[in-house]
Amino acid sequence: NAGVTQTPKFQVLKTGQSMTLQCAQDMNHEYMSWYRQDPGMGLRLIHYSVGAGITDQGEVPNGYNVSRSTTEDFPLRLLSAAPSQTSVYFCASSKTANYGYTFGSGTRLTVV
Amino acid sequence: GQQVMQIPQYQHVQEGEDFTTYCNSSTTLSNIQWYKQRPGGHPVFLIQLVKSGEVKKQKRLTFQFGEAKKNSSLHITATQTTDVGTYFCAGFRGGNEKLTFGTGTRLTIIP
Repeated sequence: NAGVTQTPKFQVLKTGQSMTLQCAQDMNHEYMSWYRQDPGMGLRLIHYSVGAGITDQGEVPNGYNVSRSTTEDFPLRLLSAAPSQTSVYFCASSKTANYGYTFGSGTRLTVV
Repeated sequence: GQQVMQIPQYQHVQEGEDFTTYCNSSTTLSNIQWYKQRPGGHPVFLIQLVKSGEVKKQKRLTFQFGEAKKNSSLHITATQTTDVGTYFCAGFRGGNEKLTFGTGTRLTIIP
């Protein structure tokens, strides 16, 4: 039982490049979310999903896409990286809305 | 913008002193969750409160949910060096499936 697995742990991108941050969970959780964490800003919700095939926007969705084709996986795509997307990205999952979230260990992304 | 605020943003305490962080929402929350993030780590779920006025304890930690379900607090009695980290509250607004996090309170302990 690995919990929530995020890859890669670190990534450096050039402005304009695209990439996908991977997130997988093996707990059969319906809810999955992506957050970004910046100093002094706490955790801000990018996109979330309440089940396979269903996704919705969070507070800061611009520049990011998601899809949820399976219960286990919830990848986050950066379409054209910008320096403002330099951040630590966390994926989280939960059984339902009223359960605590389990977080992955994060991806530290730098866009130069 | 951020609709769940926490105060203080930073707190430095001597080991053995008490610590409290406060969480305030601009809207009524259906529940409130608390998380702890150690330096360099990821948030870890501590507890969830659902009922108005609810109080829960975990060893030296006491969590409270306000009567109006718009505020919450976390109190740590006799802090230890293992309590170092950032404490976040997070809540769902009724009918909303987005978990919104507070701005966090960073606790440092002076040995």
